[in-house]
Amino acid sequence: QVQLVESGGGLVKPGGSLRLSCAASGFVFSDYSMAWARQAPGKGLEWVSYITGPSSDIDYTDSAKGRFTISRDNAKNSLYLQLNSLRAEDTAVYYCVRANYGFDHWGQGTLVTVSS
Amino acid sequence: EIVLTQSPGTLSLSPGERATLSCRASQSVSSNYVAWYQQRPGQTPRLLIYLASRRATGIPDRFSGSGSGTDFTLTISRLEPEDFAVYYCQQLAKPPWTFGQGTQVE
Repeated sequence: QVQLVESGGGLVKPGGSLRLSCAASGFVFSDYSMAWARQAPGKGLEWVSYITGPSSDIDYTDSAKGRFTISRDNAKNSLYLQLNSLRAEDTAVYYCVRANYGFDHWGQGTLVTVSS
Repeated sequence: EIVLTQSPGTLSLSPGERATLSCRASQSVSSNYVAWYQQRPGQTPRLLIYLASRRATGIPDRFSGSGSGTDFTLTISRLEPEDFAVYYCQQLAKPPWTFGQGTQVE
């Protein structure tokens, strides 16, 4: 079965960096676009970034442009999100998702807390 | 950016009743690239509907989606106890892939 397992979250000071990872299994990883979504505490869902299977197309929400970088390693069945210049408003649970006409599989999420 | 507005914000119903949730887009969503998700308290979101009207794998047939252009609807024909949750619509036609603010069914 499809499994997505995120790691790398934690507490970081404003201006700091984190690298999130997502280990995928149960499907042919390179065949699918992948994405990151986030949910701030008590708030709704927000798409952050996506990347196509061959990494040929990448996009970000406006608040992430210039600060976050999405990447993938198809040989390792892994998705990444480098978070730089973090702000308090980036505090959220970050979900790794498979993008297939919708986000059809979600990881359990990893919490990123940005606080001094 | 395509803004999605969901209504109502909260829907108060009883088990067995019909729920009708609306999602209105600020501009036409091409190819009906609209998805609906359910999020129960403390759980991750679950895809219910994609391409506006297609049920995702394993989703009961009491859930149905309809609509085109700028107006989309999720209908739950007869509410079961496990259906009381927050529902989000999303458009994937044009980045940023925006979500609506959610409708809570209580």
